[in-house]
Amino acid sequence: VQLVQSGAEVKKPGASVKVSCQASGYTFMSYAIYWVRQAPGQRPEWMGRINTGSGNTEYSQKFQGRVTITRDTSASTAYMELSSLTSGDTAVYYCATVEGLFDFWGQGTLVTVSS
Amino acid sequence: EIVLTQSPATLSLSPGERATLSCRASQSVSIYLAWYQQKPGQAPRLLIYDTSNRAAGIPVRFSGSRSGTDFTLTISSLEPEDFAVYYCQMRSNRPPGLTFGGGTKVEMK
Repeated sequence: VQLVQSGAEVKKPGASVKVSCQASGYTFMSYAIYWVRQAPGQRPEWMGRINTGSGNTEYSQKFQGRVTITRDTSASTAYMELSSLTSGDTAVYYCATVEGLFDFWGQGTLVTVSS
Repeated sequence: EIVLTQSPATLSLSPGERATLSCRASQSVSIYLAWYQQKPGQAPRLLIYDTSNRAAGIPVRFSGSRSGTDFTLTISSLEPEDFAVYYCQMRSNRPPGLTFGGGTKVEMK
């Protein structure tokens, strides 16, 4: 099982960022994909998740209206787009499957927001 | 909303010593509590799932337990590679999401 994420991004305040997460080694539509971010020195923070089968999404209230999670089943890939970026959004963004024993994480994508 | 409070924030121990990490939930919760280990520059690594089940490949020196809303991760005898930050995490469906504790750093004395 592998989750491979897209590379590091540098964005200006007010911009948007879209991070991809390509899954392999299992049936993509069998497990939800979660997005978690971690600012430097902070605990991980849940952003949202997508049911990869139905496409239904659920978001943390903190990010509601600013985050959009989608998936492309033909490419076994999930995406997380975060808009209206501020310096407070500088963090490592992870995708993960978090279902009991079936727990796998991407390598993380560093998003830096700086003018 | 469930809040997970970990203690202590830092644990200074020597190799071979026993480590006891605590995670307290703010309300009665399900058993879906997990423990992760994280080293600098790495993603969290699952150690324990559903309160007390070791993940694949995790050494037997790691164990998890529960008493009411108090959860414990015990490392019976610290190895050099165990010095890291540990997080507890709970998965819920109502409301949906993941909640993480603030972490305990196990550092070498």
